Amino acid sequence: KAGVTQTPRYLIKTRGQQVTLSCSPISGHRSVSWYQQTPGQGLQFLFEYFSETQRNKGNFPGRFSGRQFSNSRSEMNVSTLELGDSALYLCASSLEGYSNQPQHFGDGTRLSIL
Amino acid sequence: QKEVEQDPGPLSVPEGAIVSLNCTYSNSAFQYFMWYRQYSRKGPELLMYTYSSGNKEDGRFTAQVDKSSKYISLFIRDSQPSDSATYLCAMSPNAGNNRKLIWGLGTSLAVNP
Repeated sequence: KAGVTQTPRYLIKTRGQQVTLSCSPISGHRSVSWYQQTPGQGLQFLFEYFSETQRNKGNFPGRFSGRQFSNSRSEMNVSTLELGDSALYLCASSLEGYSNQPQHFGDGTRLSIL
Repeated sequence: QKEVEQDPGPLSVPEGAIVSLNCTYSNSAFQYFMWYRQYSRKGPELLMYTYSSGNKEDGRFTAQVDKSSKYISLFIRDSQPSDSATYLCAMSPNAGNNRKLIWGLGTSLAVNP
């Protein structure tokens, strides 16, 4: 069974640009969550999508947005990039998003802002 | 003060040693506790999952939860160089459909051959 796939693996952007990251969950998984990981803050929850609806949202500004398609694939968009957005962005999928169901992570997209 | 505290290390041990990794937390509502392992340039992978207090064993790994002390531990027996990674604890207050896990910052472990 294929794991969670994130593309691209690496991205370099400049301030003010926007970026779209993609995540393909494990087949059959309906919940997709996005996280930002930095050395100082660790893993921080961005948002979760379930059945094409945003079900939960973390404490990030509106520049961070996402969506989920009918096949459960998800995209995350960051507009007006800032230097502080440099981070590893991780996507995780699970069957239905309950805490007693393990999350399976992709290997992330490393975003660098110049 | 963070809700979940985890010593960042690095922790360096010889091969075959018993490793103890720990997290403390402040929210007594946490009931679901997880340990993830993250290799360099990889995403986290779930190692152990426990509900409420007690111990859980899986091969060389044992997870312990002490809710009275708000303290969780992961023990690795007969540690191997392949165990070299960052270990993240995570916890949640409920099993609802909110996946707002609270994460520790991770402990970096190096097992030397």
